[in-house]
Amino acid sequence: DGGITQSPKYLFRKEGQNVTLSCEQNLNHDAMYWYRQDPGQGLRLIYYSQIVNDFQKGDIAEGYSVSREKKESFPLTVTSAQKNPTAFYLCATDQRGLAGKGETQYFGPGTRLLVL
Amino acid sequence: AQSVAQPEDQVNVAEGNPLTVKCTYSVSGNPYLFWYVQYPNRGLQFLLKYITGDNLVKGSYGFEAEFNKSQTSFHLKKPSALVSDSALYFCAVRDGGVTGGGNKLTFGTGTQLKVEL
Repeated sequence: DGGITQSPKYLFRKEGQNVTLSCEQNLNHDAMYWYRQDPGQGLRLIYYSQIVNDFQKGDIAEGYSVSREKKESFPLTVTSAQKNPTAFYLCATDQRGLAGKGETQYFGPGTRLLVL
Repeated sequence: AQSVAQPEDQVNVAEGNPLTVKCTYSVSGNPYLFWYVQYPNRGLQFLLKYITGDNLVKGSYGFEAEFNKSQTSFHLKKPSALVSDSALYFCAVRDGGVTGGGNKLTFGTGTQLKVEL
């Protein structure tokens, strides 16, 4: 897990509520990613950011939003539009270079989101 | 589009026996292949990767993987399994033939490894 922290470890959401998951890194990596993990489905990409003040939708962005105001931080907001938010959320980072294809992604410890 | 398949949901092996966790991939260009391990309620830990060069890649905790281009496979192996190796293992791929779009990894669905005494 190294220099990537995610908080909280567990988060409970009430119906109609927006909640924000925190991801912070001290690895000085340019790129940051949010994944959702559901049993038997592997990891699915929600959003990613390659540089500050820029981010792109991944494969399942609907009902989620992000911001990247600082290099170290990439918070994920799960909005009330996400009807099935119960999952394990993982943040990852990597150091993009010109030969970025071989870069290793490193993961935070995760946040488990549960719906009340 | 790039894809990864892990054909076995679960692999059972006795401690001390060799283990293999299978992974096959599909890409348009050169593959960049990764193995990760996940313990319960934890993030993914990087084990090893193949970029280019020697087809046999050695990684953490005694694991290794063999890249086979003709069979489009990247199976994870360990000569002697430990009970502590019991965990969920993910294979992932990036397509070297794709430009732009960030360094998107595509993950398999995972294989649960159970090592028993």
